[in-house]
Amino acid sequence: SQELEQSPQSLIVQEGKNLTINCTSSKTLYGLYWYKQKYGEGLIFLMMLQKGGEEKSHEKITAKLDEKKQQSSLHITASQPSHAGIYLCGADFRDSNYQLIWGAGTKLIIKP
Amino acid sequence: DVKVTQSSRYLVKRTGEKVFLECVQDMDHENMFWYRQDPGLGLRLIYFSYDVKMKEKGDIPEGYSVSREKKERFSLILESASTNQTSMYLCASSLSTSGRREGDEQFFGPGTRLTVL
Repeated sequence: SQELEQSPQSLIVQEGKNLTINCTSSKTLYGLYWYKQKYGEGLIFLMMLQKGGEEKSHEKITAKLDEKKQQSSLHITASQPSHAGIYLCGADFRDSNYQLIWGAGTKLIIKP
Repeated sequence: DVKVTQSSRYLVKRTGEKVFLECVQDMDHENMFWYRQDPGLGLRLIYFSYDVKMKEKGDIPEGYSVSREKKERFSLILESASTNQTSMYLCASSLSTSGRREGDEQFFGPGTRLTVL
């Protein structure tokens, strides 16, 4: 969706290195969800952010929502092969009671 | 843990066939969703249901219909499968939409990769 842009589209990172994935919105985010998808499988919920400046961590993954609530970043510290997969962000714009708008995903490859 | 199951992981059908994709959730969730996922396009919502027998069109409902006769089960029907419906189909469920808070996140099934020849 053009309302929600994810970058980069794909990323190849040496094992042990840090990385950041961004999710940028054209309007205010009332909620931002991060999911991970292993190739060919369903999505696993990672974190949800709602408040400007909010930051949450799950193991070595940290996600933050900026103060203006229009961008979220997902940061992985000391990447491991288990981090490989597709990361998707889903946005709640409060336009609809039910729908999330999804980014196109970032494909992460970890080189050993 | 919430469990969302889908009837098949892989399915191969011929053009013109009627296709049924089944989704079952075991956590008494009110909302259920059907998405398709294609490379570079992310998730696109086909239909969702917020209660038994209730349904709403998503972004791409053409060529699809749905059925929700019981709370735990949400079926996606391709009335006459076409090659452009070859895709990964993902079902999801969520507790409610009364408030946007932790616990309202969508839980996904493992997906069905459908190929229409």
